[in-house]
Amino acid sequence: AQSVSQHNHHVILSEAASLELGCNYSYGGTVNLFWYVQYPGQHLQLLLKYFSGDPLVKGIKGFEAEFIKSKFSFNLRKPSVQWSDTAEYFCAVRGNNRLAFGKGNQVVVIP
Amino acid sequence: GAGVSQSPSNKVTEKGKDVELRCDPISGHTALYWYRQSLGQGLEFLIYFQGNSAPDKSGLPSDRFSAERTGGSVSTLTIQRTQQEDSAVYLCASSLRGPGQGADTIYFGEGSWLTVV
Repeated sequence: AQSVSQHNHHVILSEAASLELGCNYSYGGTVNLFWYVQYPGQHLQLLLKYFSGDPLVKGIKGFEAEFIKSKFSFNLRKPSVQWSDTAEYFCAVRGNNRLAFGKGNQVVVIP
Repeated sequence: GAGVSQSPSNKVTEKGKDVELRCDPISGHTALYWYRQSLGQGLEFLIYFQGNSAPDKSGLPSDRFSAERTGGSVSTLTIQRTQQEDSAVYLCASSLRGPGQGADTIYFGEGSWLTVV
């Protein structure tokens, strides 16, 4: 079964700073890759996804992620964060069975 | 419906009681998943249904936990003799196809917040 690692569980940064959240997975086959976001008090929402094609995918709210197959990575980036980006971010990988999640990154953006 | 619907949204129960949590997936979605989200623990997979059968229930933490799905639609997660460590948000999700059947997005409900006192 696949597994997912997310680094830097707690991230604190100022508005306009750049954000990068790392995600590495272990699975030898074809994967579907996702980033979900959970704003305070809200449910999980899909931020972006990669199935195939261009490894650089763009999602909502200015987020993007790059799939690097050789590194088994799917890092999330945003060039300039806003206070409203304060949330928990989860990387998820689906192989041939379940959708496996990382432990999440708690991101706090200070105005 | 438009999204994955879960009920109850909040449940407080006494230790030792049984609870049932309900999930109504997006219409037409064949795959249904249950996850548990505990503080600081991320999202823990519990069980996956394809239609009414459960090809993967390896995530159920103990025999106090069971789930069923009927009519290829609604699913119920039952926790018997609840313990305090069962307190968590129980999330249901659905997708049009199951794993290994093609690229597909999984949509989550808002969760059922269970507190065992």
